[in-house]
Amino acid sequence: QLQLQESGPGLVKPSETLSLTCTVSGGSINSTSYYWGWIRQPPGKGLEWIGSIYYSGSTYYNPSLKSRVTISVDTSKDQFSLKLSSVTAADTAVYYCARHSIVLVPAAIFSNWFAPWGQGTLVTVSA
Amino acid sequence: DVVMTQSPLSLPVTLGQPASISCRSSQSLVYSDGSTYLNWFYQRPGQSPRRLIYQVSNRDSGVPDRFSGGGSGSDFTLKISRVEAEDVGVYYCMQGTHWPPTFGQGTKVEIK
Repeated sequence: QLQLQESGPGLVKPSETLSLTCTVSGGSINSTSYYWGWIRQPPGKGLEWIGSIYYSGSTYYNPSLKSRVTISVDTSKDQFSLKLSSVTAADTAVYYCARHSIVLVPAAIFSNWFAPWGQGTLVTVSA
Repeated sequence: DVVMTQSPLSLPVTLGQPASISCRSSQSLVYSDGSTYLNWFYQRPGQSPRRLIYQVSNRDSGVPDRFSGGGSGSDFTLKISRVEAEDVGVYYCMQGTHWPPTFGQGTKVEIK
């Protein structure tokens, strides 16, 4: 059974870089069928997709965060990572990783679904 | 970005009774080939979201058949035929037809 687990610091200072890692178990990240994504949920608010990566390193980012986001993959460890730079209090959220089904057709890309999700990790931005 | 609007945001229900959640998108979610990328997720208190339904009406494996999804264009509905205690939580819709994917605000289902 595929499982994902987020890890990383729970507290980050303003203006610094948030770094999280997602470890995939019960399956391989070297899947040709799926991407691997990050989604966040600020306290009491809704969900926001951050970005996703293919095992080859190909990435898609949410334009609203693109200037601050870097997602990378380490296939030897079945891990993918998120870096979010210049964080502020608005970046305080529970960060989830998830397998991401993306459908690519000529001239179009669709987000099919996210499943399964990791348990999530709370990252607080505070001095 | 496509805005997803759910209603109601809070839904008190009686055990054994039906429940319905609406999700409306600011643009049609139907692609030219007829595909519609509209999902429903469910989040129990303190847990991570779980996929319930994808592409409008396809139930995930293990999801009870009392859950059903329907709709078309920009108007979609999640229905629970008979609410059980384990159904308490927050339900989200998500569209993936337009990039980037976006989520609704969530509907909190609770028992009266």
